[in-house]
Amino acid sequence: EIVLTQSPGTLSLSPGERATLSCRASQSVSSTHLAWYQHKPGQAPRLLIYGASSRATGIPDRFGGSGSGTDFSLTISRLEPEDFAVYYCQQYDSSPYTFGQGTKLEI
Amino acid sequence: QEQLVQSGAEVKKPGASVKVSCKTSGYTFISYYIHWVRQAPGRGLEWMGVINASGGSTKYAQRFQGRLTMTRDTSTSTVYMDLSSLTSEDTALYYCARGRTMVRGSPLAYWGQGTLVTVSS
Repeated sequence: EIVLTQSPGTLSLSPGERATLSCRASQSVSSTHLAWYQHKPGQAPRLLIYGASSRATGIPDRFGGSGSGTDFSLTISRLEPEDFAVYYCQQYDSSPYTFGQGTKLEI
Repeated sequence: QEQLVQSGAEVKKPGASVKVSCKTSGYTFISYYIHWVRQAPGRGLEWMGVINASGGSTKYAQRFQGRLTMTRDTSTSTVYMDLSSLTSEDTALYYCARGRTMVRGSPLAYWGQGTLVTVSS
């Protein structure tokens, strides 16, 4: 099973700042099989990034993904108030399609 | 417009089973896989398993082997998740989700609204 470790656990920033979230895999993940999700209380998770760097439909271009092998990152270039949420990475390279434990982005 | 609509909240006693439904619409049901993901209170997302809506084959996370069953009804475009031998550790919000593409390993682009399952004596 591929274990995904996200850091930091909590990230405290202000609107307008840049956020960088990390996701490290216990073994190499095909870069085409790494996704990022945003999750807000009371809502279903929302796909942001797939294939490590491709934005999902309707996702603003302030969200960007990068990385390969075992190290991946999600960058939010200029935080908007609605961006404060929990973010998860997920690998869909090999079953079980595991999630990281999440990074809480707070004001 | 792709939609996944789940059944309502459930309260179960320890040792019981729960069956959650996920009715889909807006796309060709048999062309995609449906995944189940859960979130326990204060915890992160946990992938449980996936079913091929066409042939019905399944793949479960090891920790649920033996007590998780996923089925589908092609006549109603509905997928079911049945979890047995419930304990308080199974109290969680359960989501069904459809992949972005027609392969099993696919990012989850469409989600149900979630079903709260509470296990309590």
